[in-house]
Amino acid sequence: QVQLQESGPGLVKPSETLSLTCTVSGGSITSYYWSWVRQPPGKRLEYIGYVYYSGTTDYNSSLKSRVTMSVDTSKNQFSLKLNSVTAADTAVYYCARISRYDVSKVFDPWGQGTLVTVSS
Amino acid sequence: EIVLTQSPRTLSLSPGERATLSCRATQSVSSSYLAWYQHKPGQPPRLLIYGASTRAAGIPDRFSGSGSGTDFTLTISSLEPEDFAVYYCQQFGGSPTWTFGQGTKVEIK
Repeated sequence: QVQLQESGPGLVKPSETLSLTCTVSGGSITSYYWSWVRQPPGKRLEYIGYVYYSGTTDYNSSLKSRVTMSVDTSKNQFSLKLNSVTAADTAVYYCARISRYDVSKVFDPWGQGTLVTVSS
Repeated sequence: EIVLTQSPRTLSLSPGERATLSCRATQSVSSSYLAWYQHKPGQPPRLLIYGASTRAAGIPDRFSGSGSGTDFTLTISSLEPEDFAVYYCQQFGGSPTWTFGQGTKVEIK
């Protein structure tokens, strides 16, 4: 079955750019939407955005000015860049596939998650 | 933005007991677009229910979902030891496209 794995630095300095990659195994990245979701400590899950294998994107309006997502079909990977980070961006970041069941659009499956801390 | 509020925040129950979790939305949500996830420490969230009441593949039938409009419920008919976790409801279709509730922790009494 499809598995996802996040990778990237666990520590980012304030004002710098957070960069994460999600590697998809057990299936093709084509024909699906791929997303990023984060969870700051003690807070609820937050949708960051998605990228389609063609490159189409959708971003949460609260983060839109700082987020860029892209996909590399040759490597079966997609990525997240979040610039000008602050301590408020400290969170566990998850990548997930957006799956359509009937008309529902849900996150399934998810990666294990990676903690990114913003600190100098 | 559609805000989802879950209650209670914590549910203390014993194995074998019934758990009833509530998810209330600030605006009407299509039943087709309401989902529930289970989240255990150190693991990714797992999809339990989509379309408000349809179990995802491999989910035991002790889990059931119901509701419509602004009020939705997740019921675990008889808690197993592996069911103690945090549960999140999630809606699709508003702005932002997906939002989550703040979670209900089901803990062992």
